[in-house]
Amino acid sequence: GESVGLHLPTLSVQEGDNSIINCAYSNSASDYFIWYKQESGKGPQFIIDIRSNMDKRQGQRVTVLLNKTVKHLSLQIAATQPGDSAVYFCAEKEGTSYGKLTFGQGTILTVHP
Amino acid sequence: GAVVSQHPSWVICKSGTSVKIECRSLDFQATTMFWYRQFPKQSLMLMATSNEGSKATYEQGVEKDKFLINHASLTLSTLTVTSAHPEDSSFYICSASPGGYNEQFFGPGTRLTVL
Repeated sequence: GESVGLHLPTLSVQEGDNSIINCAYSNSASDYFIWYKQESGKGPQFIIDIRSNMDKRQGQRVTVLLNKTVKHLSLQIAATQPGDSAVYFCAEKEGTSYGKLTFGQGTILTVHP
Repeated sequence: GAVVSQHPSWVICKSGTSVKIECRSLDFQATTMFWYRQFPKQSLMLMATSNEGSKATYEQGVEKDKFLINHASLTLSTLTVTSAHPEDSSFYICSASPGGYNEQFFGPGTRLTVL
């Protein structure tokens, strides 16, 4: 996963726009990936997951894309709403590590009305 | 379903005291529970993994004698921060998993402030 930094990347969008949040991972042995949303002062909330045998998965207003060649994961949020404002983390799990997740750096998403 | 609670939600203590944080899975049995620490504007860092009835596995750099973890039942794990110091002030988050490769369900976190 990404190394932890002191300053999270930020993304500002207008309400109704589509948002794309990116994540790079470094462990080629990771076979399961999850996107989480974390609001201020709360625990992470599951958004969507994808296994390494897939390259795309869609949920309600969200799509996750996985590019194993370049070790890149993205989260697309359609018609972004003010309630989507939060910090978004990707997390990866290595196939041999029982349940252990490694979290990425995180991105602060701000949606302006 | 799949609700995880933490208690307390926030705690303020004096330097040198010990603080216990509880993590409970309310509607499922958690074979494995995880404890994370999160500093402001940073990501979650895994501290330890605990399996019910066995000793916790600590991540590199995490002092097991300072962060005592007990997972005595399938619905409860506790994290005790012993002899807390101001640098231990952080947001502590637990997660619980029913086992296998199922997702982890996260608690709401506990904000610890050590004066």
